[in-house]
Amino acid sequence: GAVVSQHPSRVICKSGTSVKIECRSLDFQATTMFWYRQFPKQSLMLMATSNEGSKATYEQGVEKDKFLINHASLTLSTLTVTSAHPEDSSFYICSAPIAGVYEQYFGPGTRLTVT
Amino acid sequence: DQQVKQNSPSLSVQEGRISILNCDYTNSMFDYFLWYKKYPAEGPTFLISISSIKDKNEDGRFTVFLNKSAKHLSLHIVPSQPGDSAVYFCAANSNRFGNEKLTFGTGTRLTIIP
Repeated sequence: GAVVSQHPSRVICKSGTSVKIECRSLDFQATTMFWYRQFPKQSLMLMATSNEGSKATYEQGVEKDKFLINHASLTLSTLTVTSAHPEDSSFYICSAPIAGVYEQYFGPGTRLTVT
Repeated sequence: DQQVKQNSPSLSVQEGRISILNCDYTNSMFDYFLWYKKYPAEGPTFLISISSIKDKNEDGRFTVFLNKSAKHLSLHIVPSQPGDSAVYFCAANSNRFGNEKLTFGTGTRLTIIP
């Protein structure tokens, strides 16, 4: 089946630093990828839609200058959390759909802890 | 506005019995529905889906039922196994071509009691 990978799986950083998370589709091309975050015991919250070759589309309430998204190729999207603060600590998950197939495939997630 | 709702945050079921997870939606534009299973610290994995032109889809131990008039769907797992313990999310899609964002429910934590 389709595989989506994320790197790193977990990261600890100091407050004020920036962290980059990568999302790769391993055996298919994805013109669109989605970024979610999940707080403990809560649902998946869609943050933004990453579009290859164009600007990302952010959901209401998500700061685009804080969560920078780049979709430079058909297999890679990156999410950079800039000037991270403890409240940014969360579980970040990406997903990618395959054209013509309804299901989206999710990456394994990245646990970000900001100290 | 929560367009996809899972009103039961948790459910406990005896091993071997049937687990029934429920999901309600409000947007009549949704035409495809999916169930995902999620373990802690992992990404969701796809379980089963159903198109709005059907009212039932079965895959092994998993069956999804769709009641369009009630805007309600349910996931039946039978027989339930300990490995089924996880959080289950229902999701809905409003684009036939798949490249559209999913709207997720709030999840139901299923615990199978041995």
